[in-house]
Amino acid sequence: SAVISQKPSRDICQRGTSLTIQCQVDSQVTMMFWYRQQPGQSLTLIATANQGSEATYESGFVIDKFPISRPNLTFSTLTVSNMSPEDSSIYLCSAAGSRQGSTDTQYFGPGTRLTVL
Amino acid sequence: GDSVTQMEGPVTLSEEAFLTINCTYTATGYPSLFWYVQYPGEGLQLLLKATKADDKGSNKGFEATYRKETTSFHLEKGSVQVSDSAVYFCAGGSTLGRLYFGRGTQLTVWP
Repeated sequence: SAVISQKPSRDICQRGTSLTIQCQVDSQVTMMFWYRQQPGQSLTLIATANQGSEATYESGFVIDKFPISRPNLTFSTLTVSNMSPEDSSIYLCSAAGSRQGSTDTQYFGPGTRLTVL
Repeated sequence: GDSVTQMEGPVTLSEEAFLTINCTYTATGYPSLFWYVQYPGEGLQLLLKATKADDKGSNKGFEATYRKETTSFHLEKGSVQVSDSAVYFCAGGSTLGRLYFGRGTQLTVWP
């Protein structure tokens, strides 16, 4: 399985500011994803981070609000832009398709707990 | 679209009790199915998975069998422990590697 770390683990931000979350995988992976988990809710996929090209966004999520980068096969960032209190959530990174694993099994980072005041 | 429907919680059990958390799926094909567990303050951990009909996934005393005829993937454990207290998510795998999750079931086990 892949080991995934995220930074920061938590943050408290002011309305109107932006926060960039980093996701680092300990091995090269084929696929990386970003999810949002609102308080007491399930996970919702934001986008698939594509290496070397623009991310693929799910319905209801747009690049201007959640720009994503993936410069190589082990690293990705998600930016939450122009934040409002409704963006307060846990943001999770996941990865699939490591050398030892199949592409259908995703492993998750510990998450970034974001509070917007 | 593809989806999973998961038993609503919370579920409260005494230690050593039997656990079942129901999960059914709706999909156009035959997705891989997963159970993930989220302990308080942590991210998701893969608990077990099954990739085709009649497969049984198992880990840490938990089991789930992929039942095509009932489109189900119920999670079971014969004797729960206090340390099993967590939120459990059923998930299905769609094309291009995307996962769709159930709403989660909060399990609390009392000593």
